[in-house]
Amino acid sequence: IAGITQAPTSQILAAGRRMTLRCTQDMRHNAMYWYRQDLGLGLRLIHYSNTAGTTGKGEVPDGYSVSRANTDDFPLTLASAVPSQTSVYFCASSPEGHYGYTFGSGTRLTVV
Amino acid sequence: AQKITQTQPGMFVQEKEAVTLDCTYDTSDPSYGLFWYKQPSSGEMIFLIYQGSYDQQNATEGRYSLNFQKARKSANLVISASQLGDSAMYFCAMKDSGAGSYQLTFGKGTKLSVIP
Repeated sequence: IAGITQAPTSQILAAGRRMTLRCTQDMRHNAMYWYRQDLGLGLRLIHYSNTAGTTGKGEVPDGYSVSRANTDDFPLTLASAVPSQTSVYFCASSPEGHYGYTFGSGTRLTVV
Repeated sequence: AQKITQTQPGMFVQEKEAVTLDCTYDTSDPSYGLFWYKQPSSGEMIFLIYQGSYDQQNATEGRYSLNFQKARKSANLVISASQLGDSAMYFCAMKDSGAGSYQLTFGKGTKLSVIP
């Protein structure tokens, strides 16, 4: 089934640890995104990539990094996790310039 | 800068009644798209409806319709004949059409509860 796969589904992480959230899509969409969802704040953009090899900062990029080595994968890395990064993380993708966004099922991350 | 405002943190509606979820937006881009997503308690983001800024008619998808008032910069979601399964979080989002800008900007959401 075409779509976005995120892993892990959930994770409890000790503060200070490094963590990579994985996101893979099989739709050959050019653009990919990482959002975090916090209660009362909606979804906020962390980083995005309009095409393989390029990335950009969103609204809340601090403490996160991304890479886009190929079209399909867009991992999000927390170099040194802090409790404020406790959130639900959504990966999404879209064809360039098209409105058809697809979301992954999310990763629930708890930093303790 | 884009901005999406959803002023209703929570709403209640009687089953089988219609409900309107409010959304206002702010953008200086003349070309943009407006979206509504549903997020049930299971957590997935479900696309409901899309309205382009140049679309002449309001978008409709089954029981969902978008009341688009461009001059007022509002894009309210109307759900007709509410069902218990409509209980969820609803997010309004916008994408402008600037070069190289594809990301969605979301509002804070409205939690809809359908009462039997």
